[in-house]
Amino acid sequence: NAGVIQTPRHKVTGKGQEATLWCEPISGHSAVFWYRQTIVQGLEFLTYFRNQAPIDDSGMPKERFSAQMPNQSHSTLKIQSTQPQDSAVYLCASSLLGVNTEVFFGKGTRLTVV
Amino acid sequence: QQQVRQSPQSLTVWEGGTTVLTCSYEDSTFNYFPWYQQFPGEGPALLISILSVSDKKEDGRFTTFFNKREKKLSLHIIDSQPGDSATYFCAAPVNTGNYKYVFGAGTRLKVIA
Repeated sequence: NAGVIQTPRHKVTGKGQEATLWCEPISGHSAVFWYRQTIVQGLEFLTYFRNQAPIDDSGMPKERFSAQMPNQSHSTLKIQSTQPQDSAVYLCASSLLGVNTEVFFGKGTRLTVV
Repeated sequence: QQQVRQSPQSLTVWEGGTTVLTCSYEDSTFNYFPWYQQFPGEGPALLISILSVSDKKEDGRFTTFFNKREKKLSLHIIDSQPGDSATYFCAAPVNTGNYKYVFGAGTRLKVIA
């Protein structure tokens, strides 16, 4: 079990460019989450998929952020027109469905917008 | 929305000592409180968790305490080791499905040999 796999581990984009982050959840996990981690804001919930369906995107900045889960083996987080304040570590996580199940995080993608 | 306050922000202890981290939360509706451990370059990993029906849960050198009346959590690490040096986060659910969590700001622990 390789755990949650995120690629790339590091990404540098110029201001205004698009960034796409990839996540492969643990096989068999039907709950997939995206979080953002910064020094100032800490860990922030972005969005949640259950059985590939978007359930809660309440943490997503509405205008430039989007997330998809086209199949059970991968999810993407896309940021259009990246801004310096988007610089953060983006963490993908997955878990089995159910209440109080353990959530497994990937190692994250460090996005730097210059 | 549920707020979680964690202290201290950072902590240094000697090897073999006891580490105590604390969190306070606002909404007592929910019933599951996990602690996560994060090493540099890694994602957070579940360390220990507790249900609100319990006041204590132990796992080896790690023990978490839950005080429902005071709305407080604590994590105790006995016989602290240099390998315990990491950032620790408490978390609390913010919805009934327990899929969305709010995290404390984290405590950066350094254990000195």
